[in-house]
Amino acid sequence: KNQVEQSPQSLIILEGKNCTLQCNYTVSPFSNLRWYKQDTGRGPVSLTIMTFSENTKSNGRYTATLDADTKQSSLHITASQLSDSASYICVVRPMDSSYKLIFGSGTRLLVRP
Amino acid sequence: GAVVSQHPSWVICKSGTSVKIECRSLDFQATTMFWYRQFPKQSLMLMATSNEGSKATYEQGVEKDKFLINHASLTLSTLTVTSAHPEDSSFYICSAREEREGWDEQFFGPGTRLTVL
Repeated sequence: KNQVEQSPQSLIILEGKNCTLQCNYTVSPFSNLRWYKQDTGRGPVSLTIMTFSENTKSNGRYTATLDADTKQSSLHITASQLSDSASYICVVRPMDSSYKLIFGSGTRLLVRP
Repeated sequence: GAVVSQHPSWVICKSGTSVKIECRSLDFQATTMFWYRQFPKQSLMLMATSNEGSKATYEQGVEKDKFLINHASLTLSTLTVTSAHPEDSSFYICSAREEREGWDEQFFGPGTRLTVL
Protein backbone atom coordinates (compact mmCIF):
# COMPACT_ATOMS: atom_id res chain seq x y z
CA LYS A 1 0.00 0.00 0.00
CA ASN A 2 1.32 3.44 -0.87
CA GLN A 3 2.01 5.36 2.31
CA VAL A 4 3.83 8.45 3.45
CA GLU A 5 4.79 8.78 7.11
CA GLN A 6 6.21 11.85 8.78
CA SER A 7 8.00 12.47 12.03
CA PRO A 8 7.87 14.04 14.45
CA GLN A 9 4.16 14.71 14.64
CA SER A 10 4.86 18.06 16.27
CA LEU A 11 7.93 20.08 17.15
CA ILE A 12 8.67 23.19 19.19
CA ILE A 13 11.90 25.11 18.65
CA LEU A 14 13.28 28.49 19.59
CA GLU A 15 13.56 31.24 17.03
CA GLY A 16 16.88 31.15 15.23
CA LYS A 17 17.43 27.44 15.72
CA ASN A 18 17.59 24.85 12.95
CA CYS A 19 15.38 21.80 12.67
CA THR A 20 14.93 18.74 10.46
CA LEU A 21 11.68 17.05 9.60
CA GLN A 22 11.55 13.46 8.37
CA CYS A 23 9.48 11.68 5.76
CA ASN A 24 9.45 7.96 4.96
CA TYR A 25 7.49 6.63 2.04
CA THR A 26 6.59 3.30 0.47
CA VAL A 27 5.32 4.72 -2.82
CA SER A 28 7.06 2.97 -5.70
CA PRO A 29 7.64 3.86 -8.37
CA PHE A 30 7.21 7.54 -7.82
CA SER A 31 7.46 10.55 -10.05
CA ASN A 32 8.38 13.21 -7.52
CA LEU A 33 8.38 14.10 -3.84
CA ARG A 34 7.19 17.45 -2.59
CA TRP A 35 7.29 19.40 0.62
CA TYR A 36 4.49 21.85 1.34
CA LYS A 37 4.03 24.45 4.04
CA GLN A 38 0.49 24.95 5.28
CA ASP A 39 -0.35 27.86 7.54
CA THR A 40 -3.39 27.44 9.76
CA GLY A 41 -6.57 28.05 7.79
CA ARG A 42 -4.74 28.29 4.47
CA GLY A 43 -4.01 26.02 1.54
CA PRO A 44 -0.65 24.26 1.15
CA VAL A 45 2.16 26.15 -0.54
CA SER A 46 4.92 24.30 -2.37
CA LEU A 47 8.42 24.56 -0.91
CA THR A 48 10.38 22.02 -2.94
CA ILE A 49 9.82 19.38 -5.58
CA MET A 50 12.34 16.63 -6.26
CA THR A 51 12.25 13.93 -8.88
CA PHE A 52 13.50 10.45 -8.05
CA SER A 53 16.88 11.31 -9.55
CA GLU A 54 17.51 14.37 -7.39
CA ASN A 55 19.20 14.27 -3.99
CA THR A 56 18.69 17.76 -2.71
CA LYS A 57 16.73 20.91 -3.46
CA SER A 58 16.88 24.26 -1.71
CA ASN A 59 14.45 27.12 -1.44
CA GLY A 60 15.87 29.89 0.70
CA ARG A 61 16.18 28.63 4.26
CA TYR A 62 14.48 25.35 3.32
CA THR A 63 16.57 22.43 2.07
CA ALA A 64 15.03 19.09 1.17
CA THR A 65 16.99 15.88 0.69
CA LEU A 66 15.95 12.64 -0.91
CA ASP A 67 17.39 9.15 -0.61
CA ALA A 68 15.52 6.99 -3.10
CA ASP A 69 17.35 3.86 -1.94
CA THR A 70 16.10 4.10 1.64
CA LYS A 71 12.89 5.86 0.61
CA GLN A 72 13.51 8.74 2.97
CA SER A 73 13.33 12.49 2.64
CA SER A 74 14.05 15.30 5.05
CA LEU A 75 13.29 18.98 5.20
CA HIS A 76 15.85 21.14 6.96
CA ILE A 77 14.91 24.61 8.11
CA THR A 78 17.78 26.94 8.87
CA ALA A 79 17.67 29.92 11.24
CA SER A 80 14.01 29.48 12.01
CA GLN A 81 11.68 32.46 12.15
CA LEU A 82 8.36 32.91 13.90
CA SER A 83 6.64 32.84 10.52
CA ASP A 84 7.91 29.29 10.01
CA SER A 85 5.26 28.12 12.48
CA ALA A 86 3.02 25.95 10.31
CA SER A 87 2.36 22.38 9.26
CA TYR A 88 4.85 20.84 6.86
CA ILE A 89 3.49 18.13 4.63
CA CYS A 90 5.47 15.58 2.67
CA VAL A 91 3.66 14.53 -0.51
CA VAL A 92 4.59 11.86 -3.03
CA ARG A 93 3.33 11.71 -6.59
CA PRO A 94 3.19 8.09 -7.77
CA MET A 95 4.31 7.35 -11.30
CA ASP A 96 0.88 6.56 -12.68
CA SER A 97 -1.72 8.25 -14.79
CA SER A 98 -4.08 9.29 -12.03
CA TYR A 99 -2.21 12.48 -11.00
CA LYS A 100 -3.28 11.76 -7.42
CA LEU A 101 -0.95 12.73 -4.60
CA ILE A 102 -0.16 10.68 -1.50
CA PHE A 103 -0.07 12.94 1.57
CA GLY A 104 1.78 12.49 4.82
CA SER A 105 0.01 13.50 8.01
CA GLY A 106 2.28 16.49 8.45
CA THR A 107 4.58 17.86 11.13
CA ARG A 108 3.26 20.80 13.12
CA LEU A 109 6.11 23.19 13.84
CA LEU A 110 5.92 25.92 16.44
CA VAL A 111 8.70 28.48 16.58
CA ARG A 112 8.84 30.37 19.86
CA PRO A 113 10.54 33.71 20.52
CA GLY B 1 3.94 30.40 -9.54
CA ALA B 2 0.45 29.73 -10.78
CA VAL B 3 -2.47 31.05 -8.74
CA VAL B 4 -5.59 29.20 -7.70
CA SER B 5 -8.43 31.02 -5.99
CA GLN B 6 -11.40 29.77 -4.03
CA HIS B 7 -14.64 31.50 -3.25
CA PRO B 8 -15.94 31.98 -0.69
CA SER B 9 -13.10 31.81 1.81
CA TRP B 10 -15.58 30.97 4.53
CA VAL B 11 -19.28 30.25 4.71
CA ILE B 12 -21.80 29.57 7.45
CA CYS B 13 -25.06 27.91 6.52
CA LYS B 14 -28.05 26.27 8.11
CA SER B 15 -28.48 22.53 8.17
CA GLY B 16 -30.36 21.30 5.12
CA THR B 17 -29.23 24.05 2.77
CA SER B 18 -26.82 23.72 -0.16
CA VAL B 19 -23.51 25.52 -0.50
CA LYS B 20 -21.46 26.07 -3.64
CA ILE B 21 -17.69 26.54 -3.55
CA GLU B 22 -15.79 27.78 -6.59
CA CYS B 23 -12.22 26.94 -7.55
CA ARG B 24 -10.53 28.97 -10.27
CA SER B 25 -7.14 28.74 -11.92
CA LEU B 26 -6.31 32.37 -12.57
CA ASP B 27 -3.39 32.28 -14.98
CA PHE B 28 -3.42 28.81 -16.48
CA GLN B 29 -5.81 26.24 -17.84
CA ALA B 30 -6.50 23.15 -15.81
CA THR B 31 -8.07 20.08 -17.37
CA THR B 32 -7.90 18.41 -13.99
CA MET B 33 -8.79 19.81 -10.60
CA PHE B 34 -8.98 18.05 -7.27
CA TRP B 35 -11.19 18.59 -4.24
CA TYR B 36 -9.93 17.83 -0.76
CA ARG B 37 -11.40 17.96 2.71
CA GLN B 38 -9.34 18.60 5.79
CA PHE B 39 -10.43 18.12 9.39
CA PRO B 40 -8.60 19.83 12.28
CA LYS B 41 -5.07 18.56 12.84
CA GLN B 42 -5.38 16.09 9.98
CA SER B 43 -3.92 16.06 6.52
CA LEU B 44 -5.79 16.60 3.28
CA MET B 45 -8.12 13.83 2.15
CA LEU B 46 -8.92 13.59 -1.53
CA MET B 47 -12.65 13.64 -2.20
CA ALA B 48 -12.81 13.64 -5.97
CA THR B 49 -11.00 14.35 -9.20
CA SER B 50 -12.72 16.89 -11.42
CA ASN B 51 -12.15 16.57 -15.16
CA GLU B 52 -13.11 19.32 -17.57
CA GLY B 53 -16.01 18.27 -19.76
CA SER B 54 -16.61 14.93 -18.09
CA LYS B 55 -17.92 13.44 -14.88
CA ALA B 56 -15.92 13.68 -11.71
CA THR B 57 -14.27 10.63 -10.22
CA TYR B 58 -15.07 10.20 -6.54
CA GLU B 59 -12.96 8.49 -3.91
CA GLN B 60 -14.34 5.55 -2.00
CA GLY B 61 -16.76 6.62 0.68
CA VAL B 62 -17.55 10.03 -0.83
CA GLU B 63 -21.19 10.41 -1.81
CA LYS B 64 -21.39 11.80 -5.32
CA ASP B 65 -25.00 12.87 -4.89
CA LYS B 66 -24.09 14.89 -1.83
CA PHE B 67 -20.94 16.50 -3.17
CA LEU B 68 -21.76 17.65 -6.69
CA ILE B 69 -18.81 18.62 -8.83
CA ASN B 70 -18.97 20.55 -12.08
CA HIS B 71 -15.91 21.37 -14.18
CA ALA B 72 -17.53 23.40 -16.91
CA SER B 73 -14.46 25.23 -18.16
CA LEU B 74 -10.69 24.94 -18.14
CA THR B 75 -10.43 27.49 -15.34
CA LEU B 76 -13.41 26.74 -13.10
CA SER B 77 -14.58 23.82 -11.00
CA THR B 78 -17.38 24.00 -8.48
CA LEU B 79 -18.20 21.83 -5.49
CA THR B 80 -21.76 21.94 -4.20
CA VAL B 81 -22.45 20.45 -0.79
CA THR B 82 -26.12 19.52 -0.94
CA SER B 83 -28.38 19.26 2.11
CA ALA B 84 -25.49 20.17 4.35
CA HIS B 85 -25.31 18.79 7.87
CA PRO B 86 -23.08 19.76 10.81
CA GLU B 87 -20.79 16.80 10.10
CA ASP B 88 -20.01 18.38 6.71
CA SER B 89 -18.34 21.27 8.52
CA SER B 90 -14.75 21.19 7.39
CA PHE B 91 -12.02 22.96 5.44
CA TYR B 92 -12.39 22.33 1.73
CA ILE B 93 -9.36 22.82 -0.50
CA CYS B 94 -9.09 22.53 -4.25
CA SER B 95 -6.04 22.11 -6.41
CA ALA B 96 -5.57 22.64 -10.11
CA ARG B 97 -3.18 20.70 -12.27
CA GLU B 98 -1.06 22.63 -14.73
CA GLU B 99 0.46 20.57 -17.49
CA ARG B 100 3.48 21.59 -19.49
CA GLU B 101 5.96 19.77 -21.64
CA GLY B 102 7.52 17.01 -19.61
CA TRP B 103 6.06 17.92 -16.23
CA ASP B 104 2.94 18.81 -14.38
CA GLU B 105 2.28 20.53 -11.09
CA GLN B 106 -0.65 20.96 -8.76
CA PHE B 107 -1.34 24.32 -7.21
CA PHE B 108 -3.61 24.58 -4.20
CA GLY B 109 -6.27 27.12 -3.46
CA PRO B 110 -6.44 28.96 -0.13
CA GLY B 111 -9.31 26.82 1.11
CA THR B 112 -12.93 27.39 2.13
CA ARG B 113 -14.04 27.02 5.72
CA LEU B 114 -17.58 25.60 5.84
CA THR B 115 -19.56 25.70 9.06
CA VAL B 116 -22.99 24.10 9.10
CA LEU B 117 -25.19 25.09 12.02
